[in-house]
Amino acid sequence: DTGVSQNPRHKITKRGQNVTFRCDPISEHNRLYWYRQTLGQGPEFLTYFQNEAQLEKSRLLSDRFSAERPKGSFSTLEIQRTEQGDSAMYLCASNTAQRGIKGEQFFGPGTRLTVL
Amino acid sequence: GQNIDQPTEMTATEGAIVQINCTYQTSGFNGLFWYQQHAGEAPTFLSYNVLDGLEEKGRFSSFLSRSKGYSYLLLKELQMKDSASYLCAVIRTDKLIFGTGTRLQVFP
Repeated sequence: DTGVSQNPRHKITKRGQNVTFRCDPISEHNRLYWYRQTLGQGPEFLTYFQNEAQLEKSRLLSDRFSAERPKGSFSTLEIQRTEQGDSAMYLCASNTAQRGIKGEQFFGPGTRLTVL
Repeated sequence: GQNIDQPTEMTATEGAIVQINCTYQTSGFNGLFWYQQHAGEAPTFLSYNVLDGLEEKGRFSSFLSRSKGYSYLLLKELQMKDSASYLCAVIRTDKLIFGTGTRLQVFP
């Protein structure tokens, strides 16, 4: 399978617990993005990496959220002390940064988080 | 800042043509994408416009007017499987800024 994969696909947790999601991008892609999508809304940008460097983090992102891409391949997104408002679909996408290329992002199937 | 507007819902009949509009106000415009998203699934790429004009790809076409901050997605010969959300997104400094999406329902 050469697409973007995400694990787990579903996560149910209690308020106050920590959760961690994983994203494996398309192997030759050096950029990896995290988005969050709530019901009836479009995806909202959270953060992105080029190789292992985190290049931008949304100002809307709480300090409870942290993302890593230690070897420039897979990435993890951790949410500490989850709140009910964190319930959403967390989408990962990847692409390759090249001049003159349109920058299409390929999305994974997402991780649906439910905080009780 | 950025603001992207699309209609929330649209309905159409199988075999018909539907046009989904998107208006945007954003600094640092580097192109506009349309994605299709079926319920519970990931967005999938439909089209990309960076210059003014029409891009045609099979039953789907997308138009862009940068001076008006306006785009539309045209779907022809609608099929039941086209029932989905259609997301307009502007690319700005490498990240996608999405509208809320337009939920299209196709009826027989």
